[in-house]
Amino acid sequence: DVKVTQSSRYLVKRTGEKVFLECVQDMDHENMFWYRQDPGLGLRLIYFSYDVKMKEKGDIPEGYSVSREKKERFSLILESASTNQTSMYLCASSWTPGTGWDEQYFGPGTRLTVT
Amino acid sequence: AQKVTQAQTEISVVEKEDVTLDCVYETRDTTYYLFWYKQPPSGELVFLIRRNSFDEQNEISGRYSWNFQKSTSSFNFTITASQVVDSAVYFCALSEAEQAGTALIFGKGTTLSVSS
Repeated sequence: DVKVTQSSRYLVKRTGEKVFLECVQDMDHENMFWYRQDPGLGLRLIYFSYDVKMKEKGDIPEGYSVSREKKERFSLILESASTNQTSMYLCASSWTPGTGWDEQYFGPGTRLTVT
Repeated sequence: AQKVTQAQTEISVVEKEDVTLDCVYETRDTTYYLFWYKQPPSGELVFLIRRNSFDEQNEISGRYSWNFQKSTSSFNFTITASQVVDSAVYFCALSEAEQAGTALIFGKGTTLSVSS
């Protein structure tokens, strides 16, 4: 079974802090994704990566950055957390770059609260 | 522009009722893929089904069935004889073959509540 794990289920941070959300997948997938989920807005793509050290902006990249130094690990970074970044963050991975056929496998999510 | 619309925000049914979740999509690509995911209260999205744009055959899997109609750009999901365990948020999603990174475009989700 594909396993996507996220470093924390719940996280509470203060405004202005630098926050790291970690995601690891164990199936040698090429693609990895970060989404945020908010009530009434569904899932929105923040960043994705289709190869090590490669990254692409999604729909809402402002205030975020990412890092992918190793194939299995994809980190989301909030440079200076703000209260409007309070949300559920979901990481996902999929197998093949360049095709839309593969389903994405999701982690359990990190519920981040910024106070 | 690509878009997925799930017009039903919340649906409540009683066990054993049939329920249909609607999904309408927009895309300019001729090759695209449609997905349904389930998000139970535990939070982790679970893949249910995918369809490519060239395959309009309906799909049935146990109590679940999917109706894909290109003419109306719809990919609806029906649960027959619903059960309490079906209570979840259901997302319809689209990806386009030519889009780098194969990111999914999600609808806003339909929350299904099944009561006993």
